[in-house]
Amino acid sequence: SQTIHQWPATLVQPVGSPLSLECTVEGTSNPNLYWYRQAAGRGLQLLFYSVGIGQISSEVPQNLSASRPQDRQFILSSKKLLLSDSGFYLCAWSVNQGPYEQYFGPGTRLTVT
Amino acid sequence: AQSVTQLDSQVPVFEEAPVELRCNYSSSVSVYLFWYVQYPNQGLQLLLKYLSGSTLVESINGFEAEFNKSQTSFHLRKPSVHISDTAEYFCAVRPSGYSTLTFGKGTMLLVSP
Repeated sequence: SQTIHQWPATLVQPVGSPLSLECTVEGTSNPNLYWYRQAAGRGLQLLFYSVGIGQISSEVPQNLSASRPQDRQFILSSKKLLLSDSGFYLCAWSVNQGPYEQYFGPGTRLTVT
Repeated sequence: AQSVTQLDSQVPVFEEAPVELRCNYSSSVSVYLFWYVQYPNQGLQLLLKYLSGSTLVESINGFEAEFNKSQTSFHLRKPSVHISDTAEYFCAVRPSGYSTLTFGKGTMLLVSP
């Protein structure tokens, strides 16, 4: 069966510091991968998605970036965090054809102080 | 462009009462439809999905949703809720030809004794 991991689970970082969140998927090959942000009291905002190694689509302009160095690894980064980057970050995967139903990881709670 | 509307941000109900969470969508093409559930500080879990065929779909824990093409709706229902159903519920749509989901803003279901 497929599993998705995210780490760290929680993170507290000062403004201006760098960020690296990691997501890995097991049990499937060539998945589509997604990064979402969920701010307090708000819905899900799609940040990036990837249909293959090195292929990244950005949905919103911001100081975040994403990379996919390996087939089942998806990384969310920032060079300098802003207060507004605080939130709950979710990684998800789907098969790369068909209905594209997505399966989510446990999330990372990021607090920028 | 497609959109998903969940009109109710919160729905308070008493235990063992019936509940309906509303979801309406707009799309110029055919769609796949999904309901996800999110418990506090966790990722989203796929609750049920409509891909094709019967317009009434059911989950293993008693929820059901009915696809109504003429009203562009996919409302979620349960005849008798439990305290453990307290969570946030998200409706999502994937139009044909797209590889990403569009989510509604979520409905918080609050079940009290």
